This record gives sequence, C-alpha cells and structure tokens, in this order.
Amino acid sequence: DIQMTQSPSSLSASVGDRVTITCRSSQSIANFLNWYQQKPGEAPRLLIYGASRLQSGVPSRFSGSGSGTDFSLTITSLQPEDFATYYCQESYSNPFTFGPGTKVDI
Amino acid sequence: EVQLVQSGAEVKKPGESLQISCKGSGFNFNTNWIAWVRQMPGKGLEWMGIIYPDDSDTRYSPSFQGQVTISVDKSVNTAYLRWSRLKVSDTAMYYCARRYTVVTWELLDYWGQGTLVTVSS
Repeated sequence: DIQMTQSPSSLSASVGDRVTITCRSSQSIANFLNWYQQKPGEAPRLLIYGASRLQSGVPSRFSGSGSGTDFSLTITSLQPEDFATYYCQESYSNPFTFGPGTKVDI
Repeated sequence: EVQLVQSGAEVKKPGESLQISCKGSGFNFNTNWIAWVRQMPGKGLEWMGIIYPDDSDTRYSPSFQGQVTISVDKSVNTAYLRWSRLKVSDTAMYYCARRYTVVTWELLDYWGQGTLVTVSS
C-alpha cells in the first residue's frame, strides 16, 4: 500500500492568514491526489482532486499543487469557516489511502 | 440531487453481528462505486473498501479484508457494511461515499452523514 504523510499535524492561524499544508506519498502517484476538509461532527467534503483541480462550489482561496510524491494545499486569506481538519488522499491505487490529517485552528 | 443516506446509530455488545446501510438517490447507483470509510474516535479517515453495485465487484483494503463484508442490493439502491462478530475496537463512525471519476481522476464527491457504531459490554 502507498503510505501518506502530512505536515504539520496541526497549526494555529488567524483569520486572513495564508496557510500551506503539505502531503507526501511513499511512491510516485503522478497527480492522483485529492484533498478533503472535515469539520467537527460533519462528513468530509471534497476540495481538490487531481492535485490542483478545484471541486465545484469550493471557494477559489483554496488551491492545490504538486506531482509525483510532494503536494500542497494552500488557503489564501483564511476565513472563520476554514478552521477544520484537512486530509490528503491518493487515488493512484487501491486502497486509496488517506493522510493522517492536519488540524487548522485558531 | 445526489444523496447518500445512512442508517442510524447502533449500540452493540462484543460478539454481536451488525449490518449498516447506505441508500443512494439522485444518481445512477448501479454504475457508481460506493466506498466505506472508517473514522475511529478522535482519529483520521481510513479506507475500508469499495463495491460496484452493477456486478458486486468488491475491493477491500488489506487492513479490513476478512474483518467486514461489503455488499449491495441494487434493487433498492443500497450498500451495506456487515460485521459477524463485533469487537470493542470496531467503535467508530462509518461513512459511505460515492466514488466518481472525472477524466482519469477518482474522487469521493458525495458522502453519507455517517453511522456511529458503539461496541461496549
């Protein structure tokens, strides 16, 4: 199985900050990388697929980049509703492993 | 509107059996893979497995192979996750999600609300 890591595991930020979360895969996955947001008590929500493609309805302050083994999710101008946990997920081979998550709080 | 509606919370004892469900609507259920994802209390997301309703093709994560059974009844647009003998360590929130393909990328675009399973003696 492909292993996914994320850093940092948590971070504190303020409204208006620019935040970057990184994700690394144990082998090359080209651009088969998704990002999800999960708020407490809610199901995850797809933000980004194909490493950089914004899912419909997701605000443009979210962006993704990377290919191969190194990826990042950037939130420009953090909003109050963005405080959540973010997970990357490889979609290169079954099982589609998730990263351990990055919690973004105040 | 695409929806996945899961069955309600369950409280069970160790050794009991359990089946939870995930009913899809608003899309062609038969031709969309349905995934199951576990989230243990305070922990991250874990891919359990996936099923293709049209032919019941099922793929399990090695971590869950033999521990659970994923099935489907396409006549009622419902996928199931079943345990034959629950353990305390099965206590978790379980999500179903639709796996959708955009060009070559596969993603989980719609999620059920989750089913909380609590196993305690």
